[in-house]
Amino acid sequence: GESVGLHLPTLSVQEGDNSIINCAYSNSASDYFIWYKQESGKGPQFIIDIRSNMDKRQGQRVTVLLNKTVKHLSLQIAATQPGDSAVYFCAEPRNQAGTALIFGKGTTLSVSS
Amino acid sequence: GAGVSQSPRYKVAKRGQDVALRCDPISGHVSLFWYQQALGQGPEFLTYFQNEAQLDKSGLPSDRFFAERPEGSVSTLKIQRTQQEDSAVYLCASSSRTGANEQFFGPGTRLTVL
Repeated sequence: GESVGLHLPTLSVQEGDNSIINCAYSNSASDYFIWYKQESGKGPQFIIDIRSNMDKRQGQRVTVLLNKTVKHLSLQIAATQPGDSAVYFCAEPRNQAGTALIFGKGTTLSVSS
Repeated sequence: GAGVSQSPRYKVAKRGQDVALRCDPISGHVSLFWYQQALGQGPEFLTYFQNEAQLDKSGLPSDRFFAERPEGSVSTLKIQRTQQEDSAVYLCASSSRTGANEQFFGPGTRLTVL
């Protein structure tokens, strides 16, 4: 079964707020995690990734935090914009060979102006 | 440069018909993946190619599903005798490397089986 999941199915924020999207994983052997953004009618779009030898990685307006002790991953979006409205998925390799990804069910982020 | 493209974008089939979905990965990408995404769910793995070799097809739900990538570039996912439960978005992704790394997704093909 899936080992990746998200805590909340929906998150509503105001424009300019910071958003935090959470993800829990169960496979302690996973060594790579990715966050994807999926807008309606489009395929998932890569946001940021992190390997298990790191606990934090920053991109443009986004930060991913990895807590291996409690097997928790989060995506922080700074100064959320209406264009950030989408479904966000965390994902991890399906197996040791890393041939494919397991996706969680996703969190729908709604940003209001 | 061009990203991953898929065709058709939408396909309506009558139950029992065969369908073929095409994926054009990013040029030079070694790895190619097919995923199935049901409404409101995350993508689920179907099959994986490394160049022309199908290395993992454990996610294919039945023997009605068949995928190929004969020349290591374009891939086709074929579904025979479609059923209503096959209705979903079929996503193709490609990657420049093997192993766990960033995958680039196409827009998907939305299949509706009546």
